[in-house]
Amino acid sequence: SQQGEEDPQALSIQEGENATMNCSYKTSINNLQWYRQNSGRGLVHLILIRSNEREKHSGRLRVTLDTSKKSSSLLITASRAADTASYFCATLLPSNDYKLSFGAGTTVTVRA
Amino acid sequence: GAVVSQHPSRVICKSGTSVKIECRSLDFQATTMFWYRQFPKQSLMLMATSNEGSKATYEQGVEKDKFLINHASLTLSTLTVTSAHPEDSSFYICSAGPRPDTQYFGPGTRLTVL
Repeated sequence: SQQGEEDPQALSIQEGENATMNCSYKTSINNLQWYRQNSGRGLVHLILIRSNEREKHSGRLRVTLDTSKKSSSLLITASRAADTASYFCATLLPSNDYKLSFGAGTTVTVRA
Repeated sequence: GAVVSQHPSRVICKSGTSVKIECRSLDFQATTMFWYRQFPKQSLMLMATSNEGSKATYEQGVEKDKFLINHASLTLSTLTVTSAHPEDSSFYICSAGPRPDTQYFGPGTRLTVL
């Protein structure tokens, strides 16, 4: 079952602007991961943040995690047309089954 | 980086036929693989966990007789959609990893049942 909810569902921005999307979850987690999916394609792993971490950077990506609020955010800075995609958060629960639970996703459109 | 492949990438079949989808880990062994289904403009829903050498475990609501999973080797899991119907049309994605907490996703298989 899904435990993540993402906000907003869709986002349209101009090239060069920043894009921020949020993910909320319901139960304790081991880690939270962000993925990108281009239309009709597989998932590309972007970044993983562990439950004891608060912020992580990777290139133009910045992820924050607030375990007290059970939420995470993904910021894409200086967006490019190639960033147009759907972005999903996925949580890994602290159990032995290693199952990922995906959020509903945010569709980002970057206008040239 | 680690690569997971799926075959075929796209399949169209008639209602009532069975379709087999393969998921391979190309440069690592995986005792566990996962199968997901994704409907248009929706998120990924975990269908089942494929375990090498033992039976797959299915998520609630997923018919195990409908979606047969065989994990015959440490690099190959197959998902067979039996007696496919139009409502089974979907995007099927597998994931595998060298460790259970590190998963790489395949490129997906688009199934269209006419």
